Amino acid sequence: QKEVEQDPGPLSVPEGAIVSLNCTYSNSAFQYFMWYRQYSRKGPELLMYTYSSGNKEDGRFTAQVDKSSKYISLFIRDSQPSDSATYLCAMKWGAQKLVFGQGTRLTINP
Amino acid sequence: KAGVTQTPRYLIKTRGQQVTLSCSPISGHRSVSWYQQTPGQGLQFLFEYFSETQRNKGNFPGRFSGRQFSNSRSEMNVSTLELGDSALYLCASSERTDTYEQYFGPGTRLTVT
Repeated sequence: QKEVEQDPGPLSVPEGAIVSLNCTYSNSAFQYFMWYRQYSRKGPELLMYTYSSGNKEDGRFTAQVDKSSKYISLFIRDSQPSDSATYLCAMKWGAQKLVFGQGTRLTINP
Repeated sequence: KAGVTQTPRYLIKTRGQQVTLSCSPISGHRSVSWYQQTPGQGLQFLFEYFSETQRNKGNFPGRFSGRQFSNSRSEMNVSTLELGDSALYLCASSERTDTYEQYFGPGTRLTVT
């Protein structure tokens, strides 16, 4: 079993829809929970991070962490075609390595 | 500040050859991590260097090695290339090893034929 599990999709939704992306994990030591966005032929870019449990909002994006369920989510409201990318969850604790999910390929259709 | 740069961007090699990839971190960043990204396995951690010392290592064979120089620039080397080494190799830099903030370069696309 992988430390971090993420449905690879692909996921295709119409413009304006609310998108929900999720990851589960097994290592209870994880403290930092990140979401990266990766456009085609580019490196991943940090989108949001959350420390421990809770919610964090940044514009149209909301990240949620439920440590009791070992489950994290990223919500995208009013999705735009420019949001089409691969979204990767990542987790870390202390000085340990960053552990990534498989990535979910998302397409927003105009 | 300039971002993370990686050279070369694309590379084609033959099985059995060796290859060296280069990464220049963001100015002031002393930690450099390397990842291999493939469609089947996703992003997998190779190793991390901080102040010229390897701090973390992933589960890759000894054919994969790296080093970091005093100016924080890093190189990774893959010897005796195999077809399965075809991947996007990503470098990420950060100020410290215990921070969540890692900034990725565009990657080097390696194709082994």
